[in-house]
Amino acid sequence: DVKVTQSSRYLVKRTGEKVFLECVQDMDHENMFWYRQDPGLGLRLIYFSYDVKMKEKGDIPEGYSVSREKKERFSLILESASTNQTSMYLCASSPGTYPSLQQYFGPGTRLTVT
Amino acid sequence: TQLLEQSPQFLSIQEGENLTVYCNSSSVFSSLQWYRQEPGEGPVLLVTVVTGGEVKKLKRLTFQFGDARKDSSLHITAAQTGDTGLYLCAGHQEDSWGKLQFGAGTQVVVTP
Repeated sequence: DVKVTQSSRYLVKRTGEKVFLECVQDMDHENMFWYRQDPGLGLRLIYFSYDVKMKEKGDIPEGYSVSREKKERFSLILESASTNQTSMYLCASSPGTYPSLQQYFGPGTRLTVT
Repeated sequence: TQLLEQSPQFLSIQEGENLTVYCNSSSVFSSLQWYRQEPGEGPVLLVTVVTGGEVKKLKRLTFQFGDARKDSSLHITAAQTGDTGLYLCAGHQEDSWGKLQFGAGTQVVVTP
């Protein structure tokens, strides 16, 4: 059974704090993604990675960075959290082979920045 | 603006009724997926359509990909309370590697 896990389901941080969100997949997938989900906006891609130590900007990378030191782990970093980064964060992974584009999602982390 | 526009944004129906959710774009997609997301969980893939005009059925759910590969619809027959959830369409464009573009979603509520 495929599994994507995220380190926290709920997180409350203060403005200016450095925040780490961790994602681990056990499916040996090459590709990993970080999205944020906001009401009425759907899922927006922040960053993605297609290999260890490789990263690419998505549609809304400002204020975020990522790290992928191991194939199974993809971390999202908020260098200095701001209130407009309050959101649901979803991690996903997918196999590297086309046309299998199915993405497998974790349960999400609801982050509140006060 | 969203590349994929979903309508309606919200739908509330009673058990046994039918419903249709639409996903439209002015852009062409090489494939389109539908996901369902339940509260507190991540989206789960329902279907992938890749050929213009393609129709796929998953029990009471029927998915159609437009002939021009710019739009799609999801039809649920005789809805059940278990169909309640957020339905998301997601498209893959040529030369966009493995990235998906998501619509904003349609919240479906089926009441007994």
